[in-house]
Amino acid sequence: DIAMTQSPVSLPVSLGERATIHCKSSQSVLYSDNNQNSIAWYQHKPRQPPRLLIYWASIRESGVPDRFSGSGSGTDFTLTISSLQAEDVAVYYCQQYYSSPYTFGQGTKLEI
Amino acid sequence: QVQLQESGPGLVKPSQTLSLTCNVSGFSIISGSYYWTWIRQSAGKGLEWIGRVYTTGRTNYNPSLKSRVSISVDTSRNQFSLKLRSMTVADTAIYYCARARSYCGSECYDWFDPWGQGILVTVSS
Repeated sequence: DIAMTQSPVSLPVSLGERATIHCKSSQSVLYSDNNQNSIAWYQHKPRQPPRLLIYWASIRESGVPDRFSGSGSGTDFTLTISSLQAEDVAVYYCQQYYSSPYTFGQGTKLEI
Repeated sequence: QVQLQESGPGLVKPSQTLSLTCNVSGFSIISGSYYWTWIRQSAGKGLEWIGRVYTTGRTNYNPSLKSRVSISVDTSRNQFSLKLRSMTVADTAIYYCARARSYCGSECYDWFDPWGQGILVTVSS
């Protein structure tokens, strides 16, 4: 199985600041046939289902604010929130879909 | 708008079989080429993909659970189900159903949207 490691586990940030979350896979998740990295990012707020934010490492899901962006390639990926809003307080997870079984990072809790 | 809702028991005794159902609304399961998925979240293992079912009934499972799990689809009721046998305390978790969005080459590889609210299942005697 591909192991996904997120850092930090907890990230205190202030409103309006940039937040950066890292995700590292134990092997490359770059598909050679479409040259895309098979990484998704989710936002999970209490008492709500997880919400898809990003797929193919950098494609923002429809309706997701443009302050959220994803980047990276190979084994190292980043989710960036450019200017933190109060509603962004949540736990964020990365997921690889390069190979089954799909695996998730352990989560990063964003705190204000 | 697609919505998924899990239902089933919140408490299961050790060695029993867990049966959960995911009701899909706002979308017909047979109308699109999607996999329908179960994922769980436990304190010990975080988020864990359990398996998926296609509208044809084709399934794929996480090897770590394959010997105990079965997922099925009921297109007439627009729902799909999870059975997990021989439950132990380690199976205590929030169980989510989700629709998979897939990239298909020789196989299909999935990310998940949307998810259900989740249902807490506790294993205890």
